[in-house]
Amino acid sequence: DAKTTQPTSMDCAEGRAANLPCNHSTISGNEYVYWYRQIHSQGPQYIIHGLKNNETNEMASLIITEDRKSSTLILPHATLRDTAVYYCIVRPANAGGTSYGKLTFGQGTILTVHP
Amino acid sequence: DTGVSQNPRHKITKRGQNVTFRCDPISEHNRLYWYRQTLGQGPEFLTYFQNEAQLEKSRLLSDRFSAERPKGSFSTLEIQRTEQGDSAMYLCASSSQGNNEQFFGPGTRLTVL
Repeated sequence: DAKTTQPTSMDCAEGRAANLPCNHSTISGNEYVYWYRQIHSQGPQYIIHGLKNNETNEMASLIITEDRKSSTLILPHATLRDTAVYYCIVRPANAGGTSYGKLTFGQGTILTVHP
Repeated sequence: DTGVSQNPRHKITKRGQNVTFRCDPISEHNRLYWYRQTLGQGPEFLTYFQNEAQLEKSRLLSDRFSAERPKGSFSTLEIQRTEQGDSAMYLCASSSQGNNEQFFGPGTRLTVL
């Protein structure tokens, strides 16, 4: 699986957008970009995933560059409850376009949202 | 609550003892995963089941570790002759056929003294 690089930590003011970058320069054509987060003392939680196009759901937006070598997770209006470790994961697609099997986590970005 | 559940939530044991953890996935999920997480690190994959078949095992899963999912529902992870290096959070996740998302349980925190 392709390796990802994320900043170790970031800060954000409550109510502002949090933009979390991820580099995945060795990503291959059939690999998806996934984002999970882990709030202290809880298991990881799925946020969003994408292949080539930008994606948006009720939690966040995912912007993938045209060359797919990097992406940005956007939390549009960060709250204190968004303080967590955010993991960017590259994961191959299986037959049928879905992805299953293991997730390979890095160390992630510690996002701290301040009042 | 119909999420993934894990028991016990905490386990303290002495070095050399055997421990067993249980994971109950979301009921309609046919895929079940085990991960291990040490302090300050992201979770590391251990093993993965589709129904009762164990399809992949990490080289982290030494011969002291064994996982089962006998009826394709709940799973157990056993660690024999525990070592202090086994101290970690053990996470279980499940997913359904055709769904990309893995749902994680709260984890079992193991402390080996």
